[in-house]
Amino acid sequence: DAGITQSPRYKITETGRQVTLMCHQTWSHSYMFWYRQDLGHGLRLIYYSAAADITDKGEVPDGYVVSRSKTENFPLTLESATRSQTSVYFCASNPSIRGMNTEAFFGQGTRLTVV
Amino acid sequence: SQQGEEDPQALSIQEGENATMNCSYKTSINNLQWYRQNSGRGLVHLILIRSNEREKHSGRLRVTLDTSKKSSSLLITASRAADTASYFCALPDGSNYKLTFGKGTLLTVNP
Repeated sequence: DAGITQSPRYKITETGRQVTLMCHQTWSHSYMFWYRQDLGHGLRLIYYSAAADITDKGEVPDGYVVSRSKTENFPLTLESATRSQTSVYFCASNPSIRGMNTEAFFGQGTRLTVV
Repeated sequence: SQQGEEDPQALSIQEGENATMNCSYKTSINNLQWYRQNSGRGLVHLILIRSNEREKHSGRLRVTLDTSKKSSSLLITASRAADTASYFCALPDGSNYKLTFGKGTLLTVNP
């Protein structure tokens, strides 16, 4: 299926465990992003990537690790999950066409609960 | 990066009425975007308005941008129950294609 897909959709993990959220897009968009959404905070940017092997921190990167070995995949890893990382995580991509303002495309989200 | 601020935080109207929500920001932008999020779903892009545009339409949506007041409004005409969702304005961060989102307006359209 064309588009941007996240997996899993729901995940429960224990404090201290490592967990990886997957994001895959079929458009070959250059830019990809990870946001978390929490009540009272809206969406906050965790990490983003401008291209394969190029990543950078967003607003709330602590406790997260990303990689982008292939253009189409942008996994987000919580190295040692904490309860404060309980959230809904959204992956997004942007075609980022030079000289044009472009929109972002979002996945359906992963609801992560850390117990 | 700057965050837009939506107003009101919540809005409840009857089907058929118009809904207006606003977004204010602080520094100059080259475009502003509006997104919708249905409960439990991802965000969906609605409309992008460039800094040299004052108004833009898409179906029942009308977006205005006043760069002198640093504000934008989203008008949904003849609302339907299916319009019930959260609406976010998003501001780009320079040339990096990053978007910063406001906290959103929760619109409830009652049948």
